Formats: sequence, structure tokens, C-alpha cells
Amino acid sequence: GAGVSQTPSNKVTEKGKYVELRCDPISGHTALYWYRQSLGQGPEFLIYFQGTGAADDSGLPNDRFFAVRPEGSVSTLKIQRTERGDSAVYLCASTKGTGGELFFGEGSRLTVL
Amino acid sequence: AQSVAQPEDQVNVAEGNPLTVKCTYSVSGNPYLFWYVQYPNRGLQFLLKYITGDNLVKGSYGFEAEFNKSQTSFHLKKPSALVSDSALYFCAVRDLRGNTGKLIFGQGTTLQVKP
Repeated sequence: GAGVSQTPSNKVTEKGKYVELRCDPISGHTALYWYRQSLGQGPEFLIYFQGTGAADDSGLPNDRFFAVRPEGSVSTLKIQRTERGDSAVYLCASTKGTGGELFFGEGSRLTVL
Repeated sequence: AQSVAQPEDQVNVAEGNPLTVKCTYSVSGNPYLFWYVQYPNRGLQFLLKYITGDNLVKGSYGFEAEFNKSQTSFHLKKPSALVSDSALYFCAVRDLRGNTGKLIFGQGTTLQVKP
């Protein structure tokens, strides 16, 4: 597609449930990033992929969070045993190399009840 | 550590007046600086960047930003504000550690342009 696509746009779940958020980057972009944006805050880095590998996962808050990019294109962010504090907008971005601006999707808004 | 600061939570300006949204940075090395805009319930849209070269950078929608090394600032400017410029603005700096290309964002500044 023309831009970064994220699904679902909205996800409401109950505390303790498992969720998956999907990101389809711009075609040909090898670098993919996940960010989390809480209300009133700037985006916070979670994880970076170069191709299929997670080159930097230093931003993942704990081991309930995991992300994959098995074929070097689509990525899935997985959250186990969700907590109310996980409620946020999860943003995905991609870029060709690591030298320029990031192109962001519109985000997936996660609400944990 | 790499960081950016946006000292104003909100900036109010009348339509037609010039606007400035402030950003200061802290990096060890040459800074790569970016501005993004976010409209309600939307993702971030890239406005402009400074990598090297002229200190005055021109971007989308008539915005520009001035890189000032001595003041470690990268303020966003526009000569004449529009009501449609009302949005949330983020300054960001590239994290130079590890060559990941990841950006570190400020807290954001809400720009309110009144008719």
C-alpha cells in the first residue's frame, strides 16, 4: 500500500487477555519500529526490526510484550496478560534505511478494561 | 543521553500571526532533528528534518525550522498561522547509539490557532 497500515484501529479487551496488533509497512522498507503513545505523552520507543531480526528491543517494558517480523515485512506486536496500564496507542513506523525520517501508521488504540 | 525538550505544553496564536513552537535538544555528537505533526486520532506526519547544511530548514505546509547549535535549539516556525494548523506537534532527535535510526520524541506541544 501507499502508507503504513495498522490493524485493528481500535481494540478493547479485558484485563488478562492476549492481544495482537499488526503492522504492514511501506513496501521496500527494511526498517520497522514500534512505539507506544500514552495520553498526553510523546511516542516511546518499543522495538526496532531490520529485516526479520529484532535489532533493538530495549524499549519493551517487560516480558509480556513480544514482537515478530517473520518475513521481513509485516510485523505483529503481541501482548500477553494485558493490564490496564497497557492502554495506549501503539504506533508502527517504517523507513528504508536508518538515515531519514520515519513514516508512521495511524496507530492501534488499545483499551484494557 | 539523547533527548529533546518542548518547554511549552500549549501555544496559542491568532490566525494570520506568526507562530513558534520551541524545541531544545541534548545529544553527544551531531544532531539529526525532526518535527512531526499529529492531528486528533491520527498518526504522526513528518514536517521537516535537519541533518546537515543550512540552518533554516523548510518543510511541508509552509513550516520551517531554525537549527541553532549554540543554543541547542530547533524551533518550528510559520510566518502566518492557519486555523487548520491547530494540532499536536512533536520534536524528535535521532538516537545516535547503535545505528538503529530510532527517534526520541519530546512530550509534544499543542498548537491552538484561533480565528
